Amino acid sequence: TQLLEQSPQFLSIQEGENLTVYCNSSSVFSSLQWYRQEPGEGPVLLVTVVTGGEVKKLKRLTFQFGDARKDSSLHITAAQPGDTGLYLCAGASSGGSYIPTFGRGTSLIVHP
Amino acid sequence: ETGVTQSPTHLIKTRGQQVTLRCSSQSGHNTVSWYQQALGQGPQFIFQYYREEENGRGNFPPRFSGLQFPNYSSELNVNALELDDSALYLCASSPYLGRTQETQYFGPGTRLLVL
Repeated sequence: TQLLEQSPQFLSIQEGENLTVYCNSSSVFSSLQWYRQEPGEGPVLLVTVVTGGEVKKLKRLTFQFGDARKDSSLHITAAQPGDTGLYLCAGASSGGSYIPTFGRGTSLIVHP
Repeated sequence: ETGVTQSPTHLIKTRGQQVTLRCSSQSGHNTVSWYQQALGQGPQFIFQYYREEENGRGNFPPRFSGLQFPNYSSELNVNALELDDSALYLCASSPYLGRTQETQYFGPGTRLLVL
């Protein structure tokens, strides 16, 4: 069974601070996705990374896929209250049906 | 373009009962996946349907079953409900995923409480 460990589990910061959340596994993934989920809603896809070492930027969010495609990080610069939510990573392996494995998530609260 | 919708939004059942949850996929999407998200956990894959056929299944017992209809909407049925089935049930639709990475669009979920 593939497992994705996310850390930290909880994060409470002030507006303007920077933060990094991590997603680690002992398994190799062909692709990894990051989602944000707000209370009462389903997850919304932020980014997909597929190449080892790949870095993608989405405004103040920077996503990196590890060289070995076993881990990923999400860095947020100058966090804003609108960034509050549950950040989930999900990995999938190649071959057969697309069956993603999700981590437990990092719950982020950004205080104004 | 209509997004993914799910019904009902909330549901309370008792142990041993059966429940049916419904999902309408986004226009143009022929693949629907169902997930269970327990409190404080990430979503766990239950199964996926592509063009009315089951296309993959996670580690869930047979009392979790599903259907996909010709209009690509879908149902999740759970028999003999247990207390641990209490969770948020998420439906996600996408163009055919297969072996190629595609974007899944999630609905808001159905929150099920089993007493």
